[in-house]
Amino acid sequence: EAQVTQNPRYLITVTGKKLTVTCSQNMNHEYMSWYRQDPGLGLRQIYYSMNVEVTDKGDVPEGYKVSRKEKRNFPLILESPSPNQTSLYFCASSLFVPPTGEDGYTFGSGTRLTVV
Amino acid sequence: QKEVEQNSGPLSVPEGAIASLNCTYSDRGSQSFFWYRQYSGKSPELIMFIYSNGDKEDGRFTAQLNKASQYVSLLIRDSQPSDSATYLCAVYTGANSKLTFGKGITLSVRP
Repeated sequence: EAQVTQNPRYLITVTGKKLTVTCSQNMNHEYMSWYRQDPGLGLRQIYYSMNVEVTDKGDVPEGYKVSRKEKRNFPLILESPSPNQTSLYFCASSLFVPPTGEDGYTFGSGTRLTVV
Repeated sequence: QKEVEQNSGPLSVPEGAIASLNCTYSDRGSQSFFWYRQYSGKSPELIMFIYSNGDKEDGRFTAQLNKASQYVSLLIRDSQPSDSATYLCAVYTGANSKLTFGKGITLSVRP
């Protein structure tokens, strides 16, 4: 089944404890991106990647890191999480850039992160 | 700042009615336009895509695009309770090769 897999689905952590949210897609998509979704603010892009070893900042990159060593994987790293990073995170991928009507973005199931 | 604006909502319609969801965007260079549906606690799923002026129909859904007025809308005919969800408008401008999303509008279809 073609999909974007995120793990974990839920995570509660403490301030300052490094964490990684994994994202993997099995569709050979070139483009991958991370978004966070907050009430009243909608979906905001954190980082994106056009291809292996190519990553760039989105609108809200502060406090996050990413890497793209393999085409299928695009982990999101929080080196020192803070409470303002409590949010719902989505990984998304697309075969084409710009995304076409055939696929748009395919989203993962989401990771609900709580930082206390 | 390139923006995508949606009616604040929420929107409530009776079952069988037409639900009209509107979205405006600020970047005249925007190239393509998407509507996503997001059920509570779930990820967004693509339901419509449009890139040229006019209407595009898919089943009970019709997307309408007017580039001169910079708006895109989604009509849902014969609304069903299962259509109750948050609808996200997304616009591709080419900047950062990303989709910019509106904040979404929550639709409730009353049985």
